[in-house]
Amino acid sequence: KQEVTQIPAALSVPEGENLVLNCSFTDSAIYNLQWFRQDPGKGLTSLLLIQSSQREQTSGRLNASLDKSSGRSTLYIAASQPGDSATYLCAVTQGGSEKLVFGKGTKLTVNP
Amino acid sequence: SAVISQKPSRDICQRGTSLTIQCQVDSQVTMMFWYRQQPGQSLTLIATANQGSEATYESGFVIDKFPISRPNLTFSTLTVSNMSPEDSSIYLCSVEGWQNNEQFFGPGTRLTVL
Repeated sequence: KQEVTQIPAALSVPEGENLVLNCSFTDSAIYNLQWFRQDPGKGLTSLLLIQSSQREQTSGRLNASLDKSSGRSTLYIAASQPGDSATYLCAVTQGGSEKLVFGKGTKLTVNP
Repeated sequence: SAVISQKPSRDICQRGTSLTIQCQVDSQVTMMFWYRQQPGQSLTLIATANQGSEATYESGFVIDKFPISRPNLTFSTLTVSNMSPEDSSIYLCSVEGWQNNEQFFGPGTRLTVL
């Protein structure tokens, strides 16, 4: 059974700092990995999707990497801003299934 | 990306009643998914809804408790039946995009059962 873990559970940083969020998964036979952002009481916004054959994806100040063999992904946020404050969720799909298995998320607070 | 709307955005319900949540997508999609997010927890898939066939439920979720309709390629409903306080959660629908299997989520329905 696939399990996804995110560390740390919460993170507080000053504005402007670069930071890394971590995601690990127990079964390396994934199809893809997706990073989401969730604002309090809201739905999910897709940030980046990495296919299993890819090593990284970039979008603006965000860079996500994938090391499938070791079961790890990182989300790098450059020059953090207060507007980046949210919960960041990592989720994977297995081959042959569209089901997303989620981690519990990292709650990020960026202080002005 | 797909634009997804859900109704209602939130509701407060009494124990023993039922609530139907609607999910509307701005484009035709093959598969729609319903997730539950209990307080302080991450998302768990309830079921996958395909147009023209019965929904496929995940372990721990049953049709009698969470009946789903999928009348066309842009719309689905999830009913939470005979509610108890343990059903208090955010319910989200999602769809898979046409490229790269990226999934997109609706804004969610926040349900509180008293």
